[in-house]
Amino acid sequence: EVQLVESGGGLVQPGGSLRLSCAGTGFTFSLYWMNWVRQVPGKGLEWVANIKQDGSEKYYVDSVKGRFTISRDNAKNSLYLQMNSLRAEDTAVYYCARDRGGADPYYMDVWGKGTTVTVSS
Amino acid sequence: DIVLTQSPDSLSVSLGERATITCKSSQSLLYSSNNKNYLAWYRQKPGQPPQLLISWASMRTSLRESGVPDRFSGSGSGTDFTLTISSLQAEDVAVYYCQQYYDTPLTFGGGTRVEIK
Repeated sequence: EVQLVESGGGLVQPGGSLRLSCAGTGFTFSLYWMNWVRQVPGKGLEWVANIKQDGSEKYYVDSVKGRFTISRDNAKNSLYLQMNSLRAEDTAVYYCARDRGGADPYYMDVWGKGTTVTVSS
Repeated sequence: DIVLTQSPDSLSVSLGERATITCKSSQSLLYSSNNKNYLAWYRQKPGQPPQLLISWASMRTSLRESGVPDRFSGSGSGTDFTLTISSLQAEDVAVYYCQQYYDTPLTFGGGTRVEIK
């Protein structure tokens, strides 16, 4: 069964850091672009970042540039999101999502259940 | 950035009736070299992650892949797109999102909440 499982969420103070992880199983992880998408409870979806199959290309939404870093370890079938200088507005459920793109990112066909990040003092 | 505007914000439909959601893009999502529209639709049921329904504006995700019923269909081209549920079922109570992948940053529409009348 194709599956993505996120971990690493929690409560952190403003200005703090957190590292999210996403483990992929049931598919060849290294063949896919991977994404992080977040959702404030009760609100819409916001794409955060993505990374190419070999990690050579990474893209971010403007609001997290310079603060968040996406990375992957294909040997461990894992995706990561290092979040620094966290703000209250980063509070959300963070989803890991597999992308069906090849040379470029496309749409997301497999999603994890999400991990909750709360930024509050 | 490409802005996607969905309408309506919410929709109340009787069981068995048709539901129609529109998504308007701030620029064309039609890539001329391959004549494909770079737009997807998702359904997010309460308490669940989003589920891919439609890619390339009109290509339904195969039953083999994720069990998307054939009552869902997508249409449109360029800047105007539509998701239609031909006969609303109880399990279709959800929020529906469009997403463009024509350009980075990838962007989503604001969502349309579908309820049972």
